[in-house]
Amino acid sequence: GESVGLHLPTLSVQEGDNSIINCAYSNSASDYFIWYKQESGKGPQFIIDIRSNMDKRQGQRVTVLLNKTVKHLSLQIAATQPGDSAVYFCAENTKDSNYQLIWGAGTKLIIKP
Amino acid sequence: DGGITQSPKYLFRKEGQNVTLSCEQNLNHDAMYWYRQDPGQGLRLIYYSQIVNDFQKGDIAEGYSVSREKKESFPLTVTSAQKNPTAFYLCASSIVWGDHEQYFGPGTRLTVT
Repeated sequence: GESVGLHLPTLSVQEGDNSIINCAYSNSASDYFIWYKQESGKGPQFIIDIRSNMDKRQGQRVTVLLNKTVKHLSLQIAATQPGDSAVYFCAENTKDSNYQLIWGAGTKLIIKP
Repeated sequence: DGGITQSPKYLFRKEGQNVTLSCEQNLNHDAMYWYRQDPGQGLRLIYYSQIVNDFQKGDIAEGYSVSREKKESFPLTVTSAQKNPTAFYLCASSIVWGDHEQYFGPGTRLTVT
């Protein structure tokens, strides 16, 4: 992903609604796509990953969708809770980059009470 | 409790001074990483170590140095040659290099004036 400068994309969601966070990727050869959550003042935390040969993967209250045709990745969070407030990063992992994680700029999720 | 510790949480230094950031893990992971995070941007890899006594430059290694003399420790030195050292520094580890599930420490916020 590319830097978006000082201003993170922000998504505001009502508590209890579903959240959809989007990410565009650039490398068609990426093997895995990964979502991390970073709460304020903390390090990122792994949420879920999806292999490039899949188009959907579900976890606990989260679903990741992969659309390889348009190089688009999304993270859906069901029944959003206050604890979901964080910055969400997508990342790619590929043999081409020696398996180094390539990180997007992040999306800030704000939960409205 | 297994995890990664970074110290200190906040660090202030005068320009021209070298400073060393601590990172310790008790997860028995082979691979360790140092990332830099600037406001509104994704993580950028500074250095990584696949195994003890080995380390490699990442994308932005200039002005930084590391050592990996023990499996559990991967300190980062920010030298006076780093032109813009003020940032949030994150240490991470994974079971092996290339594993995209990385475990992060809480970070060190370095301010150089």
